[in-house]
Amino acid sequence: NAGVTQTPKFRVLKTGQSMTLLCAQDMNHEYMYWYRQDPGMGLRLIHYSVGEGTTAKGEVPDGYNVSRLKKQNFLLGLESAAPSQTSVYFCASSANREDTGELFFGEGSRLTVL
Amino acid sequence: GENVEQHPSTLSVQEGDSAVIKCTYSDSASNYFPWYKQELGKGPQLIIDIRSNVGEKKDQRIAVTLNKTAKHFSLHITETQPEDSAVYFCAASRIEGTALIFGKGTTLSVSS
Repeated sequence: NAGVTQTPKFRVLKTGQSMTLLCAQDMNHEYMYWYRQDPGMGLRLIHYSVGEGTTAKGEVPDGYNVSRLKKQNFLLGLESAAPSQTSVYFCASSANREDTGELFFGEGSRLTVL
Repeated sequence: GENVEQHPSTLSVQEGDSAVIKCTYSDSASNYFPWYKQELGKGPQLIIDIRSNVGEKKDQRIAVTLNKTAKHFSLHITETQPEDSAVYFCAASRIEGTALIFGKGTTLSVSS
């Protein structure tokens, strides 16, 4: 069982470059999320989706865009990367929230912006 | 929106001792409170959760307590072992559709 898979796992960008992080889940979950993790800041929600074709802003959405064209995929885009976006990014998914609130996380994508 | 505060940020205990991590939340409508454990180089994993209709829940050496009036909840680990060393996150949300908001995490170190 793959669970939640994130690609790439590591990436180095120069300021101003763009990139897309891909998250794929094989559990048929409705909900998907992107978090960033920074030292001393914990996990902060960037964007999330409650179903195919829907997205919503989280705590720190500025500088990021997302798309959920297919139920199993959730893409996180950086149009013009900044050093402040250096972080470890985690994707997560969950089933119908009324059944269980458990989030299943990927192993993270470490992004460095120079 | 919801805000979750977590204390302490670091906690060191001897093997066999108990460890307690505390969190407070701001949204009185929140009704779901999970705890996640993150080992080095991995994503967080759910270890226990509690909903607002109960005050305490136990699972072997782990327990969580909830005080809705005071808007705080705590994680208790008894008989700690070196493999309990990790970063622990509390979180809060309304169960019906909104996303989890996490605390800043507690780094627990258990020395043998």
